[in-house]
Amino acid sequence: GEDVEQSLFLSVREGDSSVINCTYTDSSSTYLYWYKQEPGAGLQLLTYIFSNMDMKQDQRLTVLLNKKDKHLSLRIADTQTGDSAIYFCAESMRNSSASKIIFGSGTRLSIRP
Amino acid sequence: DGGITQSPKYLFRKEGQNVTLSCEQNLNHDAMYWYRQDPGQGLRLIYYSQIVNDFQKGDIAEGYSVSREKKESFPLTVTSAQKNPTAFYLCASRDPGAPNEKLFFGSGTQLSVL
Repeated sequence: GEDVEQSLFLSVREGDSSVINCTYTDSSSTYLYWYKQEPGAGLQLLTYIFSNMDMKQDQRLTVLLNKKDKHLSLRIADTQTGDSAIYFCAESMRNSSASKIIFGSGTRLSIRP
Repeated sequence: DGGITQSPKYLFRKEGQNVTLSCEQNLNHDAMYWYRQDPGQGLRLIYYSQIVNDFQKGDIAEGYSVSREKKESFPLTVTSAQKNPTAFYLCASRDPGAPNEKLFFGSGTQLSVL
């Protein structure tokens, strides 16, 4: 089946690292993504990782992929107030007719001073 | 600038009324998608279209209809059969041939029932 799961809330202190976790069920995923959504806005792509990679780093963002456990994480270093948002994990899957992207429920990240 | 434009930003529906949400893109993408977002839930796929004049039902298509007469446009109609239409609606597009297959999103339409 198709399912992407993530916890609903995360609270961190400003300047600390945030780690948002995600699990998925379909081992045939080609790409896995992290999207960010600010209030009342659409989603913007933060980063993505191809399914044959273990890690990807992009400035303050680090993505780790454990294919064996079907676990994806996003680490945000030196978390700032501007990082407050909902973060969605998503996987891209192909079947015979089309490709689909399945989203998790989103993790709301809040920053404490 | 290339992008996806959704309109209106806010929309109100009276009981028994059909309403249409607009989505236009100038990214030259073949594939377009409509998602529904409810508080505390992920995005659920309503309809998608891989190419002009073709579209498929997503996971929650009941009470919705779409058309894809032009590559740039993928309007969504919320019909009176959709009994719980209040939600945030997001349109997206992508280039299926692009290496990372990422989605580009519009800024959304908030639909509420009067």
